[in-house]
Amino acid sequence: EVQLVESGGGLVQPGGSLRLSCAASGFTFSSYDMHWVRQATGKGLEWVSAIGTAGDTYYPGSVKGRFTISRENAKNSLYLQMNSLRAGDTAVYYCARLEQGYFDLWGRGTLVTVSS
Amino acid sequence: EIVLTQSPATLSLSPGERATLSCRASQSVSSYLAWYQQKPGQAPRLLIYDASNRATGIPARFSGSGSGTDFTLTISSLEPEDFAVYYCQQRTRVTFGPGTKVDIK
Repeated sequence: EVQLVESGGGLVQPGGSLRLSCAASGFTFSSYDMHWVRQATGKGLEWVSAIGTAGDTYYPGSVKGRFTISRENAKNSLYLQMNSLRAGDTAVYYCARLEQGYFDLWGRGTLVTVSS
Repeated sequence: EIVLTQSPATLSLSPGERATLSCRASQSVSSYLAWYQQKPGQAPRLLIYDASNRATGIPARFSGSGSGTDFTLTISSLEPEDFAVYYCQQRTRVTFGPGTKVDIK
């Protein structure tokens, strides 16, 4: 089955760190650019990071310098290392596969709550 | 950065009615625009890509049109499962619109 499964979410204090994982299956993971997209409760979708097939990475200003995206093709896995977390980072984090510029496959998401 | 705006914020309709959703870009995105559907507690699902192409498995009642800065998603006859939030996304440098909620009148 073609799917993405996120894990690693949870409750973390402001200033803390968390590492999210996304396990891919059913497709050739190494052939796709992969992204993280987040959604705060009741809010819209916000792009968080991207990694190309060659390992090139991209971030919006809101997380640049705090978040690091990486991939391990041998394990069909995508990661998001999140440091210096803030209350505004509280959201469901989705990993998503990019196909010709659009997200054609999404995971079910993992909830990150930043609170003291 | 290209900003996407969607209107209306909420659309209240009855099953069987036609839904027309709008997405406007702050500058031209050519035809590089997608539409997603999101139901409560679920991940978004790709409906339309490159403005007018239906994604795999998407029913024919969903159609997209437009180019440049103005785009439309049309649901020809609303089914009960179509009540959801719809987002547009441009691919030049990934951004999403704020969404349109289609709810039951």
